[in-house]
Amino acid sequence: EVQLEESGGGLVQPGGSLRLSCAASGFTFSSYEMNWVRQAPGKGLEWVSYISTSGSTIYYADSVKGRFTISRDNAKNSLYLQMNSLRAEDTAVYYCVRDRRRCTSTSCYSAFDYWGQGTLITVSS
Amino acid sequence: DIQMTQSPSSVSASVGDRVTITCRASQGISSWLAWYQQKPGKAPKLLISTASSLQSGVPSRFSGSGSGTDFTLTISSLQPEDFAAYYCQQVNSFPLTFGQGTKVEIK
Repeated sequence: EVQLEESGGGLVQPGGSLRLSCAASGFTFSSYEMNWVRQAPGKGLEWVSYISTSGSTIYYADSVKGRFTISRDNAKNSLYLQMNSLRAEDTAVYYCVRDRRRCTSTSCYSAFDYWGQGTLITVSS
Repeated sequence: DIQMTQSPSSVSASVGDRVTITCRASQGISSWLAWYQQKPGKAPKLLISTASSLQSGVPSRFSGSGSGTDFTLTISSLQPEDFAAYYCQQVNSFPLTFGQGTKVEIK
């Protein structure tokens, strides 16, 4: 059974830092791209960041670029999100998401097929 | 960035009704679109990938169609457990943007 378990959430002051972790099990972690997606209270879904299987390709949403860093440790079956310079607008539930990414001869496309239960980050003084 | 616009923002329907949700992309995305269902307090669940490919275990009353810029998610006969929010997402071009969501309420 595929499981994704986030940890590291909590209350942090504006300007502070947090590191989220996601422990993956039930599948070959090193074979899947991974993402972080967040959801502010009462709002919709916002894609945050993507990392390829090896970690060599990374993308960020403009809203977090330069402040957040995604990484992975395939030996530990773990995904991370280092969040610095946190702002009130970063307050959200953060989901660790497996990406069933596939490529045709011309394009690659994602499918977020497994999600963790989410961890809440609250940025407030 | 590709903007995704869903309509309506919310819909109230009765059990057994046919419900259609529309998603429009700001530029052509071929069939690179996914649909997700999110129930209150839960993580989203993938329903459909590549515009019309139903995921394993998803009831056949759900279907997706469209290509280019216009897509639809249809629930052919609404069931009480379908009360949820639904999101579309373009899945080809980073940033992988979501629509703003459609809340389906049961009358």
